[in-house]
Amino acid sequence: GIQVEQSPPDLILQEGANSTLRCNFSDSVNNLQWFHQNPWGQLINLFYIPSGTKQNGRLSATTVATERYSLLYISSSQTTDSGVYFCAANRGNEKLTFGTGTRLTIIP
Amino acid sequence: DTAVSQTPKYLVTQMGNDKSIKCEQNLGHDTMYWYKQDSKKFLKIMFSYNNKELIINETVPNRFSPKSPDKAHLNLHINSLELGDSAVYFCASSRTASGPQHFGDGTRLSIL
Repeated sequence: GIQVEQSPPDLILQEGANSTLRCNFSDSVNNLQWFHQNPWGQLINLFYIPSGTKQNGRLSATTVATERYSLLYISSSQTTDSGVYFCAANRGNEKLTFGTGTRLTIIP
Repeated sequence: DTAVSQTPKYLVTQMGNDKSIKCEQNLGHDTMYWYKQDSKKFLKIMFSYNNKELIINETVPNRFSPKSPDKAHLNLHINSLELGDSAVYFCASSRTASGPQHFGDGTRLSIL
């Protein structure tokens, strides 16, 4: 199956800073999703982005399918952005494989 | 207007017991899933159903049995609970098998 790797594993930033989270995957995919797990444990789907670029407020994501990576950008970080960010990918109807996540801590 | 709802939120029980977790989605999605998140936050799929039919069945002990009475519901029954079953179990749904997935709030299962 597909391997999904995320970096960095941990990131600590001051409020207001920008950040870039990376997701590498081992094979071509037709499904790439980013999730945020907040400190209360809820998993929120941020982007469904098998290719191209999408923006939603302060968050944007870019997937370069030919080079097998995706990036999640967070601008002007707020404390509510803290939590774990997961990337997940699959191809066809195979299972969605999750990365091990990036734990983001935003300090006020 | 909760999209994917799971009950109960917390489940504390003794080793050897049998328990069930219920999941319902009101999004009109065709595909539903059960995931297990361990203490290190690693998320792994257990089962997936599409229109009430099992399409993904990962290497899960047969003590775990999913049941989908209709495409809006996917329940998980666990027999003879073991200490290693302690985890957070998430239900999710998507319109198609490769579409964006929406998760419930999770059920935290603790085995004493």
